[in-house]
Amino acid sequence: NAGVTQTPKFRILKIGQSMTLQCTQDMNHNYMYWYRQDPGMGLKLIYYSVGAGITDKGEVPNGYNVSRSTTEDFPLRLELAAPSQTSVYFCASTETSGAFFGQGTRLTVV
Amino acid sequence: DAKTTQPPSMDCAEGRAANLPCNHSTISGNEYVYWYRQIHSQGPQYIIHGLKNNETNEMASLIITEDRKSSTLILPHATLRDTAVYYCIVRVEETSGSRLTFGEGTQLTVNP
Repeated sequence: NAGVTQTPKFRILKIGQSMTLQCTQDMNHNYMYWYRQDPGMGLKLIYYSVGAGITDKGEVPNGYNVSRSTTEDFPLRLELAAPSQTSVYFCASTETSGAFFGQGTRLTVV
Repeated sequence: DAKTTQPPSMDCAEGRAANLPCNHSTISGNEYVYWYRQIHSQGPQYIIHGLKNNETNEMASLIITEDRKSSTLILPHATLRDTAVYYCIVRVEETSGSRLTFGEGTQLTVNP
């Protein structure tokens, strides 16, 4: 049981490039979330999903897209990377007893 | 989800109890109180949650006032490794489909 796994751990992107942040959970949780955390700040919700085939916007969705074709996977897509998207990204899944977080992806856009 | 208010920072001596307060005066009857912590750049970690009654687990105790408008997270014997940002969240249970949103939390520093 690996919990929530995020890849990659680190990435440097050039402005305008695209990439997909991967998130996989093996706990059969229906609810999954993507957050970003800027230095010294709290977590901001980007997108979330309440089950396969269902996604919804969070507080800061602009510049991102998600999909949820399976219960296990919830990838986050950046289409045209901008310096403002430099941040640490966390994926999470939840059950009634609490949320489980991945270890994060540190993304730098230069 | 109800809004919460936490002090931005607190200090505690190693070995002493750390008592972290949270105000949630607009909490609804079906909303739980959840506590998470984030240790320097790691993913947040679930600590404990409760609805009405006080709760205790291997990590901490949660004391909820009778009117449910505030709560206190207690770390009974704080260690240096408990230095972290602690988040108090109130929401309908985790699998309700509602958003899981975080405030700014309390930075707890445990001093030797």
